[in-house]
Amino acid sequence: GAGVSQTPSNKVTEKGKYVELRCDPISGHTALYWYRQSLGQGPEFLIYFQGTGAADDSGLPNDRFFAVRPEGSVSTLKIQRTERGDSAVYLCASKTSAYTDTQYFGPGTRLTVL
Amino acid sequence: AQKITQTQPGMFVQEKEAVTLDCTYDTSDPSYGLFWYKQPSSGEMIFLIYQGSYDQQNATEGRYSLNFQKARKSANLVISASQLGDSAMYFCAMREGRFGNEKLTFGTGTRLTIIP
Repeated sequence: GAGVSQTPSNKVTEKGKYVELRCDPISGHTALYWYRQSLGQGPEFLIYFQGTGAADDSGLPNDRFFAVRPEGSVSTLKIQRTERGDSAVYLCASKTSAYTDTQYFGPGTRLTVL
Repeated sequence: AQKITQTQPGMFVQEKEAVTLDCTYDTSDPSYGLFWYKQPSSGEMIFLIYQGSYDQQNATEGRYSLNFQKARKSANLVISASQLGDSAMYFCAMREGRFGNEKLTFGTGTRLTIIP
């Protein structure tokens, strides 16, 4: 079946602009995650959704970052007033439920802030 | 302290040889899960293998096995009969606590290069 998909695959924006990154999880997966991977590093957790609600947003770096999942499927990560330090690959993952372990990742969105 | 430590930034291995990628972890929680992911140059994180802290047997998935030494807090990945397609970044990750604490903590990765 189809895996996790993310759009766009690449996004170039200017400092101060607003961006939206989209994640479409595997069909039927109720749990969804966002991670950020900076160059040369492992992914870092941002936020976790169980269904429509954000169950853990402890990894969001500041209030410029926000994510939604209004219908419990597709999620959008929103970044306001982008800064050069926001440049990274943003990865989305999903899994069947809160009671299974393996997260399946999408290909990521590479965000470049000029 | 780092929760996941991968001490090998890069490794070169001859094709068809076995390779061990090191991972040590740090947690005081008795319940945790350990994962290995492969990230080829395309960028997608591919799940390889999982070990639960209460699992009695070392996990195996095809050519991948996890050498789990709980007392040493190590979870090394062993790839048997390496292939050119195994060249990639490999990340070790941990989920701490019981279900409900969902975040994965990743190490900095090991870049594996298979030499023909």
